[in-house]
Amino acid sequence: SQQGEEDPQALSIQEGENATMNCSYKTSINNLQWYRQNSGRGLVHLILIRSNEREKHSGRLRVTLDTSKKSSSLLITASRAADTASYFCAPQGGSEKLVFGKGTKLTVNP
Amino acid sequence: ETGVTQSPTHLIKTRGQQVTLRCSSQSGHNTVSWYQQALGQGPQFIFQYYREEENGRGNFPPRFSGLQFPNYSSELNVNALELDDSALYLCASSIGRAGGSYNEQFFGPGTRLTVL
Repeated sequence: SQQGEEDPQALSIQEGENATMNCSYKTSINNLQWYRQNSGRGLVHLILIRSNEREKHSGRLRVTLDTSKKSSSLLITASRAADTASYFCAPQGGSEKLVFGKGTKLTVNP
Repeated sequence: ETGVTQSPTHLIKTRGQQVTLRCSSQSGHNTVSWYQQALGQGPQFIFQYYREEENGRGNFPPRFSGLQFPNYSSELNVNALELDDSALYLCASSIGRAGGSYNEQFFGPGTRLTVL
């Protein structure tokens, strides 16, 4: 089954800095989704990038996808304390289920 | 348009008991997926329902079962609770279609189950 592995496992930065987290996966995909989870709460969908897209933006978020390397990255620019959360990637291949890794825990210090 | 809601918010049970968790999907969504998230881990897929039929199952034993109703709301039932069932249970709704759906999923806030 498809599973994304996020890297790094934890990231601590200062407010205003950029945060980059990466996702690697193993088989072909239809799309790759990024989600955010604030402590102990439900996941919030951030961006869906399809396999024929290379880059997508949403506000301060920029997602890239390299299907040849089976990897994706999520960049958060000008981070804020409110961006503190865990971030998960979910590559979606031949089935509807999302298979999550352990996520990247981002801490943005004021 | 209302979002995904789950009830109850918290629940405490003892080993061997049975529990039912409920999920109301977002308006217009016909697919509900359930996930279990242990502390410090990512969500693990339990199963998915599309138009009242099970549409895929993860690596969970049969004592985890579910239902989807004509209004697309859903229940997750867990029998013979074990200590390791303590987790955050998340449901997510999406727009599905026959043969597969590759759309974003919208998650509820979760039910935190503690088994003593």
